[in-house]
Amino acid sequence: QVHLVQSGAEVGKPGASVKVSCRPSGYTFTDYYIHWVRQAPGQGLEWMAWINPNTGGTNYAQKFQGRVTMSTDTSISTAYMELSRLRSDDTAIYFCARGVVTHGHDYWGRGTLVTVSS
Amino acid sequence: EIVLTQSPGTLSLSPGERATLSCRASQSVSSSYLAWYQQKPGQAPRLLIYGTSSRATGIPDRFSGSGSGTDFTLTISRLAPEDFAVYYCQQYGSSPITFGGGTKVEIK
Repeated sequence: QVHLVQSGAEVGKPGASVKVSCRPSGYTFTDYYIHWVRQAPGQGLEWMAWINPNTGGTNYAQKFQGRVTMSTDTSISTAYMELSRLRSDDTAIYFCARGVVTHGHDYWGRGTLVTVSS
Repeated sequence: EIVLTQSPGTLSLSPGERATLSCRASQSVSSSYLAWYQQKPGQAPRLLIYGTSSRATGIPDRFSGSGSGTDFTLTISRLAPEDFAVYYCQQYGSSPITFGGGTKVEIK
């Protein structure tokens, strides 16, 4: 059974960075891309980026270029999303999801709430 | 960037009724790369339909998808109590991946 377990809620100050983790289980970590999608309070879904755990290749939405860094540690089958230079409008739930070229996002983590507050 | 516009914003229906949700794209989307997701409060989205019309694993056959080009539709043939939620369309064939703004299906 596939599960994606995410790290717990984070609070970050404006201008600081946060790093969220996502640990899939139930499949071979390097066989599928990991995507990150965020959802601001009461808002819709916004795709941020994907990473290919097999090659380390990444693709970022232009809006997040230069502020988001995706990485993986294949030794512990974990993906990371680091968001820097935090702003108040980065307050959101950040989801990781398994990406399948033909299927979109078939499995999702439960989400990590990131709150930006001074 | 492909902009997806969903309508209506809110659909008020009773259990047992038919729901028809629309997703219109700003430019043509390959039918192979159009998906629909359901999201309930406090939960992650759940994949319902991929490739315009293929149901994801475990999705009941009352959910169906259709369309091509720039116009796509999600139909719920007979609304069950657990179907009241927000639904999002997504295109994943062109970067950046984009989502529609969502349609809320609420109990009338």
